[in-house]
Amino acid sequence: EDQVTQSPEALRLQEGESSSLNCSYTVSGLRGLFWYRQDPGKGPEFLFTLYSAGEEKEKERLKATLTKKESFLHITAPKPEDSATYLCAVQGTYKYIFGTGTRLKVLA
Amino acid sequence: SAVISQKPSRDICQRGTSLTIQCQVDSQVTMMFWYRQQPGQSLTLIATANQGSEATYESGFVIDKFPISRPNLTFSTLTVSNMSPEDSSIYLCSVFLDPNTGELFFGEGSRLTVL
Repeated sequence: EDQVTQSPEALRLQEGESSSLNCSYTVSGLRGLFWYRQDPGKGPEFLFTLYSAGEEKEKERLKATLTKKESFLHITAPKPEDSATYLCAVQGTYKYIFGTGTRLKVLA
Repeated sequence: SAVISQKPSRDICQRGTSLTIQCQVDSQVTMMFWYRQQPGQSLTLIATANQGSEATYESGFVIDKFPISRPNLTFSTLTVSNMSPEDSSIYLCSVFLDPNTGELFFGEGSRLTVL
């Protein structure tokens, strides 16, 4: 069964304290893995696409990596404005599936 | 990216009534999607809105409950019919600007509360 699991559900970090969010997946025929950021009261905002194992993408303090079973979103020296829910999604042959997200809170 | 406008942004509705949510995109798109986001749960696809044909519904969602219109390549509506408290949720419109990339762009959502 196609499935996406994100961990942890919630994460509190001090400003500058680096960490990683995990997205584990099983899917038939991976066409892409996607990371989105969602702020309260807003729709998800696209961040990254990863297409194959070993691929990495970076944007400011965020870096996404991909293996055959999971993806990590590394946050380096986060700032309070990085506080949001981060959603992972996979697109397989038949389905586009979202995880439940990680709620990140960065404290000043 | 795309500018995707949804109306209403929020509403409080009475049980048994129906509400129509509008989605307007600032460019022509082939594929428009309607998602539901319930508290603590992942985004769930309700249906794909097809221009010029009937919408394609996912398992567990039916046309009588969630009728969809797609009159042109920039606009769609989702109606939530005969609402119950279980329909309280955020409803999101989304599009592929380029289906080959798989990157979804979302409206800001419509938060419905059913009393």
